[in-house]
Amino acid sequence: EDQVTQSPEALRLQEGESSSLNCSYTVSGLRGLFWYRQDPGKGPEFLFTLYSAGEEKEKERLKATLTKKESFLHITAPKPEDSATYLCAVVSTGGTSYGKLTFGQGTILTVHP
Amino acid sequence: DSGVTQTPKHLITATGQRVTLRCSPRSGDLSVYWYQQSLDQGLQFLIQYYNGEERAKGNILERFSAQQFPDLHSELNLSSLELGDSALYFCASSALLAGAYNEQFFGPGTRLTVL
Repeated sequence: EDQVTQSPEALRLQEGESSSLNCSYTVSGLRGLFWYRQDPGKGPEFLFTLYSAGEEKEKERLKATLTKKESFLHITAPKPEDSATYLCAVVSTGGTSYGKLTFGQGTILTVHP
Repeated sequence: DSGVTQTPKHLITATGQRVTLRCSPRSGDLSVYWYQQSLDQGLQFLIQYYNGEERAKGNILERFSAQQFPDLHSELNLSSLELGDSALYFCASSALLAGAYNEQFFGPGTRLTVL
């Protein structure tokens, strides 16, 4: 069974204080790893997709990286508007899961001005 | 705005009742997915439809059913509702059945409260 574990559960940063979020995964075969941002009461917003170990993607202050066992979401010089829950999800090649996303529990990021 | 629409935004009902949640995918997307989000379980996959056919099933209760219509919109039917069914229900859509870069785009969700 596919499993995704995110750490830490919550992270408080000062504005401008860079940090990283971790996503560890166990799958039979990785079809893709996805990062989403979710604001309270809203739907997850797509950020990145990664497929192969060594791959990196960047968007503004965010950079996602992938190894064979985990992914990191690096946040450089965060701003208060970056405060949100960041979700990691995987799609595996196993069985008939097709496009099913298996999500981690998320990391709640709070950036203080 | 992801381009995925869901109605209604909020739904309050009583135990034992039946409700229908509606989803319209992004233009051109053939896959529709339903997810349930609760505080203790996080985001859980329920079911996937592709071009009108059911293609994958998660831990969806027998009291729940879904369908995708010829115009590609989808409906999730929840019956014999229990207090524990209170949650956010999200619909997502993607262009393909599966694939590494088959990104899913989520709608704004329907908040269901069962009293």
